[in-house]
Amino acid sequence: GNSVTQMEGPVTLSEEAFLTINCTYTATGYPSLFWYVQYPGEGLQLLLKATKADDKGSNKGFEATYRKETTSFHLEKGSVQVSDSAVYFCALRDNFNKFYFGSGTKLNVKP
Amino acid sequence: GAGVSQSPSNKVTEKGKDVELRCDPISGHTALYWYRQSLGQGLEFLIYFQGNSAPDKSGLPSDRFSAERTGGSVSTLTIQRTQQEDSAVYLCASSLAVGGAYNEQFFGPGTRLTVL
Repeated sequence: GNSVTQMEGPVTLSEEAFLTINCTYTATGYPSLFWYVQYPGEGLQLLLKATKADDKGSNKGFEATYRKETTSFHLEKGSVQVSDSAVYFCALRDNFNKFYFGSGTKLNVKP
Repeated sequence: GAGVSQSPSNKVTEKGKDVELRCDPISGHTALYWYRQSLGQGLEFLIYFQGNSAPDKSGLPSDRFSAERTGGSVSTLTIQRTQQEDSAVYLCASSLAVGGAYNEQFFGPGTRLTVL
């Protein structure tokens, strides 16, 4: 069946460090891929998405590229800020509009 | 309202009781989704509505769970004869449409359900 696996947290980084949060997926067909973010005390919100292979989603300095050959959608940011501290969820939507989420990765950025 | 709202925000109930969770989507959003997030787990997709109909109910954990949506707006998720393993945060999301360019989901704050 379809599934999403993302690296376990928490991930602790110093401000301005490079961030990678790994995400791999298993899916039939042609899923769309998403990263959602949940800031402390807030609801989930869409961070970025990619709908087909080789697409790159980007927002707020974050990027992720849909890699069909490695079934991956790793989240990256060149220089993290304290305000990026949150829980990040990787997700896919299958051809039947069902969503599958990873378990979330907590990011702590220290000043 | 400006965003997706859910009620109640917290619900404590006794094992065996029925509970009803409510979701008010963003006005005009035709698609509505229910998820469950257990402690330390990712989001588990339960069901989605396109208008008032739910094309696929296979994500509901058991026949104790049911959901309906009327008038293309408010949705209720009902859990009958609650069990302790039903304790979780139940999240609702809505989107302008199910697919295509307008499928960004906007999430509500969730209902935290505790079954004693």
